[in-house]
Amino acid sequence: DIQMTQSPSSLSASVGDRVTITCRASQGISNSLAWYQQKPGKAPKLLLYAASRLESGVPSRFSGSGSGTDYTLTISSLQPEDFASYYCQQYYLTPQYTFGQGTKLEIK
Amino acid sequence: EVQLVESGGVVVQPGGSLRLSCAASGFTFDDYTMHWVRQAPGKGLEWVSLISWDGGSTYYADSVKGRFTISRDNSKNSLYLQMNSLRTEDTALYYCAKDISAVASGYFDYWGQGTLVTVSS
Repeated sequence: DIQMTQSPSSLSASVGDRVTITCRASQGISNSLAWYQQKPGKAPKLLLYAASRLESGVPSRFSGSGSGTDYTLTISSLQPEDFASYYCQQYYLTPQYTFGQGTKLEIK
Repeated sequence: EVQLVESGGVVVQPGGSLRLSCAASGFTFDDYTMHWVRQAPGKGLEWVSLISWDGGSTYYADSVKGRFTISRDNSKNSLYLQMNSLRTEDTALYYCAKDISAVASGYFDYWGQGTLVTVSS
C-alpha cells in the first residue's frame, strides 16, 4: 500500500491567514491526489483532484500543487467556514486507495 | 440534487453480521462506480470497498477481504455492504460515496452522511 503522511496534524491560524498543508506519499503518485474538507459531524467534501484541479463550486482561495511524492493544499486567506479537518487521498494505486491521517485546522 | 442515504448501522456483537444499505438519487446510478469508506470514532478515513457500475468488478481493502461483500441493485438505485464476522475494529461510521466515473477513478465527489456500526459485547 501507499502510505500518505500529512503535516501538520493540527494547525492554529487566524481569519485572513495563508495556510499550507503538506501531504507526502511513500512512492510517486503522478498527481493522482485528492483533497477533502470535513467539518464536525459532516461527510467529507471534495475540494481538489488531480493534485491541482478545483472541484466545481469550491472557492478559488483553495489551491493545490505538487508532483511526485510531495503535495500541498493552500488556503490563501482563511475564512471562518474553513476551520475544519482536511484529508489528502491517493488514487494512483487502484484500488488500494489511501488517505492521509488528517490535519485539523483550528481558530487561533 | 445528488443524495446518498445510508442505513442499517446498529450495535452488534463481535462475530455478528450486518447489512448496510445506501439509497441513491439525483443522478443516473448505473453510470457510476460506488464505494464504501469508513471512519472510526475520532479517526481518519479508510477506503473499504468498491463496485463497478454494472456490479461486474468488486474490490476490498485487505482489512475486510473475505468478511465483507459489496453489491448493488441498479433497478433500485441501491448499494449494499454485507458485513460478516464483525470485529471490534470494524466499529466506524460507514459512508457510501460516489466515484466520478463508471470505471473506478478512485476519488469521490458525493458522500452520504454515514451510518454508525458499533461492534461491542
